[in-house]
Amino acid sequence: AQTVTQSQPEMSVQEAETVTLSCTYDTSESDYYLFWYKQPPSRQMILVIRQEAYKQQNATENRFSVNFQKAAKSFSLKISDSQLGDAAMYFCAYRGRGGSEKLVFGKGMKLTVNP
Amino acid sequence: DVKVTQSSRYLVKRTGEKVFLECVQDMDHENMFWYRQDPGLGLRLIYFSYDVKMKEKGDIPEGYSVSREKKERFSLILESASTNQTSMYLCASSLLPGQTDGYTFGSGTRLTVV
Repeated sequence: AQTVTQSQPEMSVQEAETVTLSCTYDTSESDYYLFWYKQPPSRQMILVIRQEAYKQQNATENRFSVNFQKAAKSFSLKISDSQLGDAAMYFCAYRGRGGSEKLVFGKGMKLTVNP
Repeated sequence: DVKVTQSSRYLVKRTGEKVFLECVQDMDHENMFWYRQDPGLGLRLIYFSYDVKMKEKGDIPEGYSVSREKKERFSLILESASTNQTSMYLCASSLLPGQTDGYTFGSGTRLTVV
């Protein structure tokens, strides 16, 4: 079974600085999707960024980018120019491509942004 | 935008009660899911459904059942609520297999069983 590990339960960053959230996963599949979700205090889970495993290029979305290392099964999220609104729980998630629609989540990480 | 609506934001029930958590999505999504979220444990899948009247067990189905009589509605049922079912419950939906946008989530129901 696939597993997703977020080893750091909490992190903090100063406003305008850069922070990297780590995520590793375990799978025997060769093709899959990886996601980062954000859950602010409002509780609404928001998709931040996604990566398709067959694409070598790292995904970017404005201030958010990933470092996808397929061989190492690592999928870290970099947040540049951190803003107060980035404070939230962040979840890394995996989904296989072979027809299974289930998302497997990590345990989450709480990000605090200090003014 | 796709909207996933969970009927209650907060719910307090007594031990032994039958509890219904309702979820409705408005974009004709095929797949619907129920997760529970607990601090330090992340999101764990309870049940999911690929189509009307179809259901499959997730990782922690014990003590729960589901119903999907209409495509847009997916109900989570706690047959006899217990205190260890106090948790945040999140509903989600997604399009057909192969769609890459992940899930669309509801805002969650925080259930307290006393």
